[in-house]
Amino acid sequence: DSGVTQTPKHLITATGQRVTLRCSPRSGDLSVYWYQQSLDQGLQFLIQYYNGEERAKGNILERFSAQQFPDLHSELNLSSLELGDSALYFCASSVEAHSGNTIYFGEGSWLTVV
Amino acid sequence: AQRVTQPEKLLSVFKGAPVELKCNYSYSGSPELFWYVQYSRQRLQLLLRHISRESIKGFTADLNKGETSFHLKKPFAQEEDSAMYYCALKAHNAGNMLTFGGGTRLMVKP
Repeated sequence: DSGVTQTPKHLITATGQRVTLRCSPRSGDLSVYWYQQSLDQGLQFLIQYYNGEERAKGNILERFSAQQFPDLHSELNLSSLELGDSALYFCASSVEAHSGNTIYFGEGSWLTVV
Repeated sequence: AQRVTQPEKLLSVFKGAPVELKCNYSYSGSPELFWYVQYSRQRLQLLLRHISRESIKGFTADLNKGETSFHLKKPFAQEEDSAMYYCALKAHNAGNMLTFGGGTRLMVKP
């Protein structure tokens, strides 16, 4: 158990809908990352937050947004869902935001868009 | 921009055979390199990081800056090693984000 908790574990929704994925980082970790794992794109970095502020942005679509709350949990919001958004969404956390810290991954949230 | 390449999507070996999972990277600076393992679409688990130069579950990996490679090796594969293996790079100018390779599925046959 990495200590990173993600909910829900599985989610099935229809195209055009909006979902929210939730992540609780390891105790003491200030930085949260979101990754998308799909069959065709592999593992892609989406976005990183550190202590409530956006730190780095990767291949995140405009239909997607994220935030990190004062209690350090994070949410990834996916809207106007398309079939191609079906993927495993990983949250990860680390103590700091800079290089040198080990990144720990959660178990992921399986999103299926039908 | 940094890039990680794992040329083999699938590697199949027999139990007891040596294993080498290839990883090449491109990055102009001094990278940190990692190997992560994923069993049956579960969470990614850190296997190795090059700066620690340790051996985990019999796996080792050496950073070769001349060849820009970080191949993962194990002298005798076990059936429980069957999993997806991802090589990842952390660039010093990119905060703490990881760039992953496409992954290699290792299948160890009895």
